Amino acid sequence: SQTIHQWPATLVQPVGSPLSLECTVEGTSNPNLYWYRQAAGRGLQLLFYSVGIGQISSEVPQNLSASRPQDRQFILSSKKLLLSDSGFYLCAWLSYQGVSYEQYFGPGTRLTVT
Amino acid sequence: RKEVEQDPGPFNVPEGATVAFNCTYSNSASQSFFWYRQDCRKEPKLLMSVYSSGNEDGRFTAQLNRASQYISLLIRDSKLSDSATYLCVVGPGTTDSWGKLQFGAGTQVVVTP
Repeated sequence: SQTIHQWPATLVQPVGSPLSLECTVEGTSNPNLYWYRQAAGRGLQLLFYSVGIGQISSEVPQNLSASRPQDRQFILSSKKLLLSDSGFYLCAWLSYQGVSYEQYFGPGTRLTVT
Repeated sequence: RKEVEQDPGPFNVPEGATVAFNCTYSNSASQSFFWYRQDCRKEPKLLMSVYSSGNEDGRFTAQLNRASQYISLLIRDSKLSDSATYLCVVGPGTTDSWGKLQFGAGTQVVVTP
């Protein structure tokens, strides 16, 4: 069965510090992968998605970036964090069910920028 | 206008009662619809996919009204464990194969003893 891992689970970082969040998927190959952010009391915002190694699409302009160095690894980064980067970061993968699909989430990383 | 809109609630429901709530979406070309459940400080978990006019899974029934562009979720015989935020999620039209979903902000349901 497929599983998705994220780490760290929680993170407290000062403004201006760098960020690296990692997501890995097991049990599937060449998945579509997604990074979302959920601010407190808000809906999920799609940040990046990737359909393959080295292929990244950005949904919103920001000081974050994403990379996909391996088939089942998706990384979210920042060179300098802002206070507004605080939130719950979720990685997800897409499971195709014939002509339909479903999206499954990892456990998330809760980031607090101080 | 938001792509997916939901009543944020909370819907306070006595245990054993029925609760229903709707979600409206703006993209008439959307083909895929889902309900996710999110517990406090946890990741969303898929509750139901809705690919036709609607479907039922135990105590949960989802209905899709394409003409009016809304989806509903009905929970019968509510349990305390049903307390959560329910996210309405809409997929793109068939020409978009990247699976980019639009999430509503969620409807909070609180089941009380």
